[in-house]
This record gives sequence, structure tokens and C-alpha cells, in this order.
Amino acid sequence: DIQMTQSPSSLSASVGDRVTISCRASQFVSGYVNWYQQTPGKVPKLLIFAASNLQSGGPSRFSGSGSGSDFALTITNLQPEDFATYYCQQSYSTPWTFGQGTKVEI
Amino acid sequence: QVYLQESGPGLVKPSEALSLTCTVSGGSVRSYYWSWIRQSPGKGLEWIGYIHNSGSINYSPSVKSRVIMFLDTSKNQFSLNLTSVTAADTAIYYCARVVGAVPAANFDYWGQGHLVTVSS
Repeated sequence: DIQMTQSPSSLSASVGDRVTISCRASQFVSGYVNWYQQTPGKVPKLLIFAASNLQSGGPSRFSGSGSGSDFALTITNLQPEDFATYYCQQSYSTPWTFGQGTKVEI
Repeated sequence: QVYLQESGPGLVKPSEALSLTCTVSGGSVRSYYWSWIRQSPGKGLEWIGYIHNSGSINYSPSVKSRVIMFLDTSKNQFSLNLTSVTAADTAIYYCARVVGAVPAANFDYWGQGHLVTVSS
């Protein structure tokens, strides 16, 4: 199985900050990494697909980058509704696997 | 807009089978791949498997010996059956639509999630 390791596990930030979350795959996954946002008690929501493509309806302050085995999710101008847990996920090979999550706290 | 809704028992006894159904509205299960994903505090998000109307099925090795998924096009539903459950199977179970051609696949629509507790 491909392991997805996110860093940091949690971070504290303020409204207006720029935040970057890293995700490293244990093997080559090309550009097949997706990012999801989950607020407490809610369902995960697709934010970024195929490493850098913003899902329809997603705020433009979210961006993704990377290829191979190293990826990043960046949030610019952090908003109150962005305080959530973020997960990366690889679809390069089954079993599809998720990172352990990064919690963005105030 | 596509909606998915999980249904099934919330409590299952150890060693018994867990059965969940996902009802899809706003779209047909004849199209796309459909997945089950679970979330437990100890293991985070875990993909269980996917199914397609073509007959294509793929299960995670972690549950492969205990899981069956099937599609009911007449009811626009797909289902999960997980046998010989233990406390480790306690989780919120989500059904989700898979969009994009594998390997460029992702989960774009999710059900609200269904908590299943395994306990005697």
C-alpha cells in the first residue's frame, strides 16, 4: 500500500494567514493526489483534484501543487470557515489511501 | 445535484455481518464508479472499495476476505456487506461517487455518513 504522510499534524493560524500543508507519498504517485476538507461533524469535501486542479465551486484561495511523491496544499488569506481538517489522498494505485489529516486551528 | 444517503443498522454484534445501502438520487448508478469509505478515530479515512455497473470491482486488501459490494440498478442503490465484524470495524461509513478515469479518480459526492458500532 502507498502511505501518505502529512505534515504538520496540526497547526495554529490566524485569519488572513497563508498556510501550507505538506503530503508525502511513500512511492511515486505521479500527479494523482486529491485534497479534501472536513469541518467538525461534516462530510469530507473535495477541494483539489489531480494535485493542482481546483474543484468547481472551490474558493480560489486554495491551491495545490506537486508531483511525483511530494505535494502541498496552500491556503492564502485564511478565512474563519477554513478552520478544519485537511486530508490528502492518492488515486495512483489501489488501495487508494489517505493521509492522516492536518488540523488547522485558530 | 447528486445526493447519496446511507442506511442500515447502527449497531452490529461482533462476528456478525454489517450491511449498508447507499441510495443515489440525481444521478444513475449505471454511470460512474461508486465507493465505500470509513472513518474511525484510530485509523482516519480508509477506502474500502469500489464498484461499477460494468462489473468492475476492487476491494482494499484490508477487508477483501470479508467484503462484498453490489449494485442494484432497479433501485439506484449500491450496497456493502462486511462479514465477521469486530470492534475495529466501528466507524462512520460513507458512500461516495468516484469521478474521473482511474488513476485520475476522486470522490466528488459523499453521503452524510452512517455510524456503525460493533458491540455486544
